Amino acid sequence: TQLLEQSPQFLSIQEGENLTVYCNSSSVFSSLQWYRQEPGEGPVLLVTVVTGGEVKKLKRLTFQFGDARKDSSLHITAAQPGDTGLYLCAGINSGGSNYKLTFGKGTLLTVNP
Amino acid sequence: NAGVTQTPKFQVLKTGQSMTLQCAQDMNHNSMYWYRQDPGMGLRLIYYSASEGTTDKGEVPNGYNVSRLNKREFSLRLESAAPSQTSVYFCASSNRGRQPQHFGDGTRLSIL
Repeated sequence: TQLLEQSPQFLSIQEGENLTVYCNSSSVFSSLQWYRQEPGEGPVLLVTVVTGGEVKKLKRLTFQFGDARKDSSLHITAAQPGDTGLYLCAGINSGGSNYKLTFGKGTLLTVNP
Repeated sequence: NAGVTQTPKFQVLKTGQSMTLQCAQDMNHNSMYWYRQDPGMGLRLIYYSASEGTTDKGEVPNGYNVSRLNKREFSLRLESAAPSQTSVYFCASSNRGRQPQHFGDGTRLSIL
């Protein structure tokens, strides 16, 4: 069973602060996705990273895939209350013909105005 | 833009009752999935259907059955509900490859 550990589990910060959340595994994934989930809704994809060492930016969010494709990080610059939500990482193992996701337990981010 | 539609949105059952959660997608996706989400446990895969006509067990299949009715619809059945099945259930769909899984808004199920 492939496991993804996310840290921290909870994070409460003030508007304007920077933060980083981490997603770590002992397993190699063919690619990794980050989702954000808001209360009462399903997760929504933010980004997919596929190459070891890859960095992707989405406005104030920066995503990095580790060189060995076992870990990833999400950095938010100048956080805003609209960034509040549950951030989930999910690893993709493309073995066989199915593309199943293995989810981490998530980081619950609260950005206070 | 319906995407993935789940019904019902909320349900309360008594222990031992049965019910079926419905899921339909309008994106012509091949694969569909059922997850449950519990506090501190993240999203766990119950069953999935890689393509029409096939279903496979995920991480936590005990107590559940599924039916891939056609390409659009994938239902989840609880034959004899137990309090441990109180959870939020999400249906998702995707095509093969690294495309995202598109999630419904969930069914909040409480079993007393």
